[in-house]
Amino acid sequence: QQQVKQSPQSLIVQKGGIPIINCAYENTAFDYFPWYQQFPGKGPALLIAIRPDVSEKKEGRFTISFNKSAKQFSLHIMDSQPGDSATYFCAASRSGGSNYKLTFGKGTLLTVNP
Amino acid sequence: NAGVTQTPKFRVLKTGQSMTLLCAQDMNHEYMYWYRQDPGMGLRLIHYSVGEGTTAKGEVPDGYNVSRLKKQNFLLGLESAAPSQTSVYFCASRMGQVYEQYFGPGTRLTVT
Repeated sequence: QQQVKQSPQSLIVQKGGIPIINCAYENTAFDYFPWYQQFPGKGPALLIAIRPDVSEKKEGRFTISFNKSAKQFSLHIMDSQPGDSATYFCAASRSGGSNYKLTFGKGTLLTVNP
Repeated sequence: NAGVTQTPKFRVLKTGQSMTLLCAQDMNHEYMYWYRQDPGMGLRLIHYSVGEGTTAKGEVPDGYNVSRLKKQNFLLGLESAAPSQTSVYFCASRMGQVYEQYFGPGTRLTVT
């Protein structure tokens, strides 16, 4: 059972475009939704995260939109740059008995062309 | 601080051989995790540890064993490697009561 579904698998945009990556989750007990960014040959690194008590969070050019009723959240990258080319993973976690384990989506390979 | 380090970076094994991957963190984190990353599959949790001397199974534990004898180290063992274990392995750690996990640079393992 895939608890976090991510789409699309890959995405190509031109510099300055606004790529959008979507995730949907099933477990309503999740209370933390991060996005990780991974460059080739490197480990994933936390990019931005949101809790379900807010509908949007911005950090620089990166924005998470969160829809609790639809159990969906998405990452928007404003004014995308070639340096944003990477694989992006959404994830979900819950506190308490799960020991804060992260459940990851399958990832989106983003290519930003110059 | 070095953060999370992994040894080795690359390894090629023959089917049936054994090996141990080492993860070390210098952030005094209680929790440590081992993931495998395969194309199109995302990151899947193999085993994790909530503290020194304790380990637990994750999503895909079969064929792997782990040990956490020291708080700063988390070892992942393959007793009899199989081609299906060809993957990139990542270790991660985090503090208690904090969600963020810090990842190491990965170990690329090929089993022939």
